[in-house]
Amino acid sequence: SQQGEEDPQALSIQEGENATMNCSYKTSINNLQWYRQNSGRGLVHLILIRSNEREKHSGRLRVTLDTSKKSSSLLITASRAADTASYFCASSSGAGSYQLTFGKGTKLSVIP
Amino acid sequence: EPEVTQTPSHQVTQMGQEVILRCVPISNHLYFYWYRQILGQKVEFLVSFYNNEISEKSEIFDDQFSVERPDGSNFTLKIRSTKLEDSAMYFCASRADGSEKLFFGSGTQLSVL
Repeated sequence: SQQGEEDPQALSIQEGENATMNCSYKTSINNLQWYRQNSGRGLVHLILIRSNEREKHSGRLRVTLDTSKKSSSLLITASRAADTASYFCASSSGAGSYQLTFGKGTKLSVIP
Repeated sequence: EPEVTQTPSHQVTQMGQEVILRCVPISNHLYFYWYRQILGQKVEFLVSFYNNEISEKSEIFDDQFSVERPDGSNFTLKIRSTKLEDSAMYFCASRADGSEKLFFGSGTQLSVL
């Protein structure tokens, strides 16, 4: 089965800096999604990138996908204290299957 | 924005007891899911449900687990005889037809003693 692995496991930056989180997976995917989880809360969908896309933007978020390296990155630009959360990548393996395989997540701390 | 609601937020139970975790998915969504996250570990898929039947299930979802949509709004996960290793945060999610975006609830923290 595929596995998403994020790195780094934890990241601490100053407000205003950019944060980059990486994710790797093992098998072919249909799409890859990024979710955010504030402490003790549910998972909030951030952005989805399909296997035939290489880059996608949404506000301050930029996601890239390299299917040859089976990896993705999430960039948050001009970070804010409110961006402090855990970020997870989740991959979906095939058409018709919406089972998501999550990584362990990156815990981001943005220091005001 | 519509949201998925889960109750209770915390559930403590004794080993061997039955528990029912409840979820109210977003009203026009047709696909429903349960995931769980053991402390410090990854979020794991348990089961997906569509048209009143299970679409997919993982190895975790054994005979101790069952799901039900008892009425037009609720979606439940039942664990018949809880084990210590069932302690986890359980997340319900729902998805609209034609969308790949899952909406998650805030979770139920299950503690089995």
